[in-house]
Amino acid sequence: DAGVIQSPRHEVTEMGQEVTLRCKPISGHDYLFWYRQTMMRGLELLIYFNNNVPIDDSGMPEDRFSAKMPNASFSTLKIQPSEPRDSAVYFCASSSDSQRGYTFGSGTRLTVV
Amino acid sequence: GQNIDQPTEMTATEGAIVQINCTYQTSGFNGLFWYQQHAGEAPTFLSYNVLDGLEEKGRFSSFLSRSKGYSYLLLKELQMKDSASYLCAVYGNNRLAFGKGNQVVVIP
Repeated sequence: DAGVIQSPRHEVTEMGQEVTLRCKPISGHDYLFWYRQTMMRGLELLIYFNNNVPIDDSGMPEDRFSAKMPNASFSTLKIQPSEPRDSAVYFCASSSDSQRGYTFGSGTRLTVV
Repeated sequence: GQNIDQPTEMTATEGAIVQINCTYQTSGFNGLFWYQQHAGEAPTFLSYNVLDGLEEKGRFSSFLSRSKGYSYLLLKELQMKDSASYLCAVYGNNRLAFGKGNQVVVIP
């Protein structure tokens, strides 16, 4: 299995631009999670899906952030418009059970200038 | 909500033993995880405790006391490759919340 695949690995964009992060979970995993990691706040859960349905999006910082999961093998996290404070590493993770260990993707390092 | 506290950094010598502590507060507890994260990489799963006591897995052991809201990760026979951040994560209220991690630096 190729694991959780995220793209791009690095993204540098200008303030105000739209950013789309992509994730392919492990086949057969019913849960998909989006986390954001910064030095100040550590790893924060943004949103998670179960069977493609968003279950908890209480961690999404504001309306500029949106996430979709159109099918079992693909999810996107979109930031529009982006701001410098959105700079962070964004991780996608998947799991076959919400109470088991999650498998993380390699992350997308986002820099908004 | 959940509150997870870990010390920020420690240095240890190759071959030594190091203990990383984690205290937590959560309304609804369904397990505690330890993850290892090397710089610039993704967190990787190390261990899972849901009942009180010690879980041993090779050089790594993890302990849990639910009544005290306390866990530790024990790393034995430290190797240079163990230099990493160690994240404590608590599952509760249908979400896995992470501490900020403890950076372990292994020196020769």
